[in-house]
Amino acid sequence: TQLLEQSPQFLSIQEGENLTVYCNSSSVFSSLQWYRQEPGEGPVLLVTVVTGGEVKKLKRLTFQFGDARKDSSLHITAAQPGDTGLYLCAGFKAAGNKLTFGGGTRVLVKP
Amino acid sequence: GAGVSQSPSNKVTEKGKDVELRCDPISGHTALYWYRQSLGQGLEFLIYFQGNSAPDKSGLPSDRFSAERTGGSVSTLTIQRTQQEDSAVYLCASSFRTSGVLQETQYFGPGTRLLVL
Repeated sequence: TQLLEQSPQFLSIQEGENLTVYCNSSSVFSSLQWYRQEPGEGPVLLVTVVTGGEVKKLKRLTFQFGDARKDSSLHITAAQPGDTGLYLCAGFKAAGNKLTFGGGTRVLVKP
Repeated sequence: GAGVSQSPSNKVTEKGKDVELRCDPISGHTALYWYRQSLGQGLEFLIYFQGNSAPDKSGLPSDRFSAERTGGSVSTLTIQRTQQEDSAVYLCASSFRTSGVLQETQYFGPGTRLLVL
């Protein structure tokens, strides 16, 4: 059982459409991160959210951290083929030593 | 190079053989992590090194897995008597970790793709 559950597992959309990926947990995290991974490469950090209720925007990507710091969402507006990849959320607990990763959401944006 | 490097990039081995995977972290980074990723899935934590502290081995799936970090830099992950279920991508990450931190940025290498026949 994943400590962080991501949904959906797979998302296929047309260029220009919007999409939202969810990351949910029953645990509270000090911070939560979103990574994107492309085939043959390691994950690359997109954003870190720390404060409950925080919203961060990165161009067409909007990240939100839940008020209780147990969940997060990633919203992409007007998706482009370059947004294709595996999106991973990861939670960090200050008392722990490691990031806990979700199972990932594979996003395919078709031209 | 400026990033995390891993070698080999691909490894094919026969069941029962031992394999060694290498990770060169970013210079100056105090923390080093090993993860395992099955095809298209999330990352499974294996082991964590921080400075001179005893490593956190809580994610190692069996005693066939071991890792060491020499001189606080290069790390080697060893899998003994490999099994087919060990086939996966093994990712290494490093970070500059300080105590009391609420967040950190981990920089990942490209991974080693291991296939056990």
